[in-house]
Amino acid sequence: GAVVSQHPSRVICKSGTSVKIECRSLDFQATTMFWYRQFPKKSLMLMATSNEGSKATYEQGVEKDKFLINHASLTLSTLTVTSAHPEDSSFYICSARDAYSYNSPLHFGNGTRLTVT
Amino acid sequence: AQSVTQLGSHVSVSEGALVLLRCNYSSSVPPYLFWYVQYPNQGLQLLLKYTTGATLVKGINGFEAEFKKSETSFHLTKPSAHMSDAAEYFCAVSSGGYQKVTFGTGTKLQVIP
Repeated sequence: GAVVSQHPSRVICKSGTSVKIECRSLDFQATTMFWYRQFPKKSLMLMATSNEGSKATYEQGVEKDKFLINHASLTLSTLTVTSAHPEDSSFYICSARDAYSYNSPLHFGNGTRLTVT
Repeated sequence: AQSVTQLGSHVSVSEGALVLLRCNYSSSVPPYLFWYVQYPNQGLQLLLKYTTGATLVKGINGFEAEFKKSETSFHLTKPSAHMSDAAEYFCAVSSGGYQKVTFGTGTKLQVIP
C-alpha cells in the first residue's frame, strides 16, 4: 500500500531556533501534500496545502512566514517551523494523495512530536 | 462548505461487544466519506472509504460503515470488539477526489476486558 514517511518522529529544540520536518511519499507521486497540526485531545487542523513546484496555500490564521513549506519534488514536502516558541509545541502530521488516482484517500505519515523548550 | 460531527468523544465497550461510532456529515455536494484510526503518537491509518456505489463499505480489521444519505450519516461498526481496537477514530468528508478533507473531532474508543 501507499506509504508516507515523515521525519523526524520526535524533535526537541530551543526557543528561537528553526526545525525542519520532512514528508516523503515512498511509492507514489504526490502533486499535493497536506500539513496538519494536532492539539492534545483535539482533531486535526489543516495548516496548509503544499503544491509541487508552486507556493503553498495556507489556511486562515496560519502564519506563512512562520511555517515555511517547500514542495520541491513529486515525493517530498518540507515544513520548517521558524523561530520556534513553546506555543508551537504540538504534533504535526503530513499527508499525501496519489496524483494519478482520482479516488485516492489521504495517506498519512506517522507524525512529528515537536517540543520547544 | 462541509463539516463532520462525531457524537461522543469517548466510547467504552466490553471486549466482544458491538462497536458503534457515530458520524454525521454536512456537504453541499455528494460526499466522499472516510474513517481513519489513530494509535498514540502515530499518524492516521485509513479504515475504509465511501466514494460512490455500494453504500455498505467494508474496511480493514473487521470494520464497516454504511452511507445513509437520508440521515446524512456514516456510522462505523464492528460486530465484536478486540482489545487492539482501542484507539482514536476520525470520520472525515471531502467533496471530491482532489478536494480538501475535513475531519471530525474524533472518538476515543476504550475496550474493557
